[in-house]
Amino acid sequence: EAGVAQSPRYKIIEKRQSVAFWCNPISGHATLYWYQQILGQGPKLLIQFQNNGVVDDSQLPKDRFSAERLKGVDSTLKIQPAKLEDSAVYLCASSLVKTSFATEAFFGQGTRLTVV
Amino acid sequence: SQKIEQNSEALNIQEGKTATLTCNYTNYSPAYLQWYRQDPGRGPVFLLLIRENEKEKRKERLKVTFDTTLKQSLFHITASQPADSATYLCALKAAGNKLTFGGGTRVLVKP
Repeated sequence: EAGVAQSPRYKIIEKRQSVAFWCNPISGHATLYWYQQILGQGPKLLIQFQNNGVVDDSQLPKDRFSAERLKGVDSTLKIQPAKLEDSAVYLCASSLVKTSFATEAFFGQGTRLTVV
Repeated sequence: SQKIEQNSEALNIQEGKTATLTCNYTNYSPAYLQWYRQDPGRGPVFLLLIRENEKEKRKERLKVTFDTTLKQSLFHITASQPADSATYLCALKAAGNKLTFGGGTRVLVKP
């Protein structure tokens, strides 16, 4: 079974530039998560989709971050304009949705963003 | 406010001993709790899940307990090995299927 694919693996941009990350979840997984992980901290949930609808985006800085999940499969996360404090690893994860069973999340390798 | 707290100090342990990690939470009523392992430069990998009505769960050398009265989970690695060195994250899943992580605890097993 193929895992969660993310690209690019690394990205270096200057502040005020824009950047986009792409995620392809495991086939059949209805739930997709984007997390931000700053060095030395745990992953922080930015946005959660179920199919192509947003379930939670309460911690997404909406003035600069946006995300979409077209057709309930692939997803992109965009930052525009980037700030120095956006330097982090951006992790995408997916999981099945089963109302009567607990399910784990499968993570991609992440995109390491450095804003200079 | 809701919090998930793990010991931020690294845990140094001798090979063969048992490592015990703590996850405390406040203002949550989680349906279940999960533990993940994260190696440097990689995404977290799922290890174990325990439901609110379960007291203990085991998988090979791993054991998890869940006390909803104390609002705490303990994660044990028995007969630890250098290959167990990693960061361990607890995560709660509550209403709405939202998966929220703690800050993680780094474990270093010395030969």
